[in-house]
Amino acid sequence: AQKITQTQPGMFVQEKEAVTLDCTYDTSDQSYGLFWYKQPSSGEMIFLIYQGSYDEQNATEGRYSLNFQKARKSANLVISASQLGDSAMYFCAMREYTGNQFYFGTGTSLTVIP
Amino acid sequence: DARVTQTPRHKVTEMGQEVTMRCQPILGHNTVFWYRQTMMQGLELLAYFRNRAPLDDSGMPKDRFSAEMPDATLATLKIQPSEPRDSAVYFCASGYTGSTFFGPGTRLTVL
Repeated sequence: AQKITQTQPGMFVQEKEAVTLDCTYDTSDQSYGLFWYKQPSSGEMIFLIYQGSYDEQNATEGRYSLNFQKARKSANLVISASQLGDSAMYFCAMREYTGNQFYFGTGTSLTVIP
Repeated sequence: DARVTQTPRHKVTEMGQEVTMRCQPILGHNTVFWYRQTMMQGLELLAYFRNRAPLDDSGMPKDRFSAEMPDATLATLKIQPSEPRDSAVYFCASGYTGSTFFGPGTRLTVL
């Protein structure tokens, strides 16, 4: 079974609109962390946001927020007020702290339309 | 502004040659990962270290790949001998609970 599932290979959003990128995960660990990374065409992997499994509040970092629904095992990324520079590939990832594994999804390509 | 650094950024080599990639993790981070990214396979975990000890290298082809952390400021990934199918971007990442940051990657081309 896939540990991280990103079901949206590609997404389009109008500039200044909000967009949600979906991510579901599968783990039996109690202690884990969820991450989102942005990979622009330049190839670098940019850390965006982190949510710990014991965190009760959704993580926020500027225009990024993580909609954490533990019972559903989902960790969707919400980008508010999209900008042209947000066009990139976005990866959801999970670290299982018991086994120390680090899993990545297949990514979602986001295109922001002017 | 602390960053993970990787050298070289680009490497072109011929099949059969040895390739060594280096990574300097962020000071204070206790976990280091090596990933390989290709269009076909996406991001593949090759190896990771915690407090410099190798915890898992099951993702690496053992006959040709080796990963080491001789000290807290240096992690290395070696391929010997290299093959065309090793062409990829190799990322090093360092972190601790709550944050994991990637280096800029080494783009390897094996001819």
